[in-house]
Amino acid sequence: DAKTTQPTSMDCAEGRAANLPCNHSTISGNEYVYWYRQIHSQGPQYIIHGLKNNETNEMASLIITEDRKSSTLILPHATLRDTAVYYCIVRYNQAGTALIFGKGTTLSVSS
Amino acid sequence: NAGVTQTPKFRVLKTGQSMTLLCAQDMNHEYMYWYRQDPGMGLRLIHYSVGEGTTAKGEVPDGYNVSRLKKQNFLLGLESAAPSQTSVYFCASNPQGRGNTEAFFGQGTRLTVV
Repeated sequence: DAKTTQPTSMDCAEGRAANLPCNHSTISGNEYVYWYRQIHSQGPQYIIHGLKNNETNEMASLIITEDRKSSTLILPHATLRDTAVYYCIVRYNQAGTALIFGKGTTLSVSS
Repeated sequence: NAGVTQTPKFRVLKTGQSMTLLCAQDMNHEYMYWYRQDPGMGLRLIHYSVGEGTTAKGEVPDGYNVSRLKKQNFLLGLESAAPSQTSVYFCASNPQGRGNTEAFFGQGTRLTVV
């Protein structure tokens, strides 16, 4: 699986958009970009994933650059409950492929 | 619908003791995974299974064994626990499909080896 690079930590004011970047410059055409988060050492929670196109769901938006070498996770209106570690993972499009985690970005949302 | 359930949630072992962690999923998923997470670190893959009766090694398999006798259960065994195995263990499952499906995680087992 391709490696990802994320900032160690970020801060965001409550109610503002949180934009979390991820660099995956060695991504191949068969690899998806996944985002998970982990709150207070609970089990990781799925947020969103995409291949080429931008994606949006009820939790977040995922913006993937045209060359697919980087992406941004957007939490449109961050709340205190969004304080967590966010993991950007590149995953090969093959049945059963495991998620390989890096250290992620610690997002701190403050009032 | 319970999702992914891990048993036990907490355990303290003495060095050299053995134990088995149980992961159960009720979603009929083909794929199951065991991870460990040490303080300040991301999750590291220990072993995984792509179907009943199959297992494979992940990033950090040494000191652990696994079995998948039933599709819904994935067991992680420590034959002779060591303090270095003090960690939080997470189980995950994935439905059948290519690498574009969501994985579901349990809430973790916090293991301390003294």
